[in-house]
Amino acid sequence: DIQMTQSPSSLSASVGDRVTITCRASQSISSYLNWYQQKPGKAPKLLIFAVSSVQSGVPSRFSGSGSGTDFTLTISSLQPEDFATYYCQQSDSSPLTFGPGTKVDIK
Amino acid sequence: QVQLQESGPGLVKPSETLSLTCTVSGGSISSYYWSWIRQPPGKGLEWIGYIYYSGSTNYNPSLKSRVTILVDTSKNQFSLKVRSVTAADTAVYYCARHHVAEPRDAFDIWGQGTMVTVSS
Repeated sequence: DIQMTQSPSSLSASVGDRVTITCRASQSISSYLNWYQQKPGKAPKLLIFAVSSVQSGVPSRFSGSGSGTDFTLTISSLQPEDFATYYCQQSDSSPLTFGPGTKVDIK
Repeated sequence: QVQLQESGPGLVKPSETLSLTCTVSGGSISSYYWSWIRQPPGKGLEWIGYIYYSGSTNYNPSLKSRVTILVDTSKNQFSLKVRSVTAADTAVYYCARHHVAEPRDAFDIWGQGTMVTVSS
């Protein structure tokens, strides 16, 4: 199985901050890397697919980059509605696996 | 727009079978893959498996011996069965559309989730 790790596991930030979350795969996953946002009591929401393609309806402050095994999600200017947990997920090979999540809360 | 809704018992006894159904509305179940994903309380996400509208399946090896996913295209539904459940199967269960169309291969639409507790 491909293991996904994320760092940090949590972070505190202020509105307007630039936030970067890192995801690492245990082996190369090409460009098969997606990012999701989950708020408490809600289903995850797809933000970014294929490393850097922004899902329709997702604000442009969200961006993704990376290749191979190392990937990043960047929020250019954190907004109040962005406080949530973020998960990366690989779809390169079965079983599909998620990272453990990064919780972003208010400083 | 396409919406997914999970349904099924919220409480299952240990050793019994967990059964859930996902109803797809606002669009056809055809031409897509459909997945089940679960999340134990306070923990991360685990992919259980997917089914293509034609009926072909792919399961997570960690659950494969206990899981069956079926599709009913006439009802626009797909279902999940997990046999011989234990407390470790207690989780929120989500159904999701698994959109595979290069370069996209992601869960782009999710149900709201349903909490299933395994307890006597």
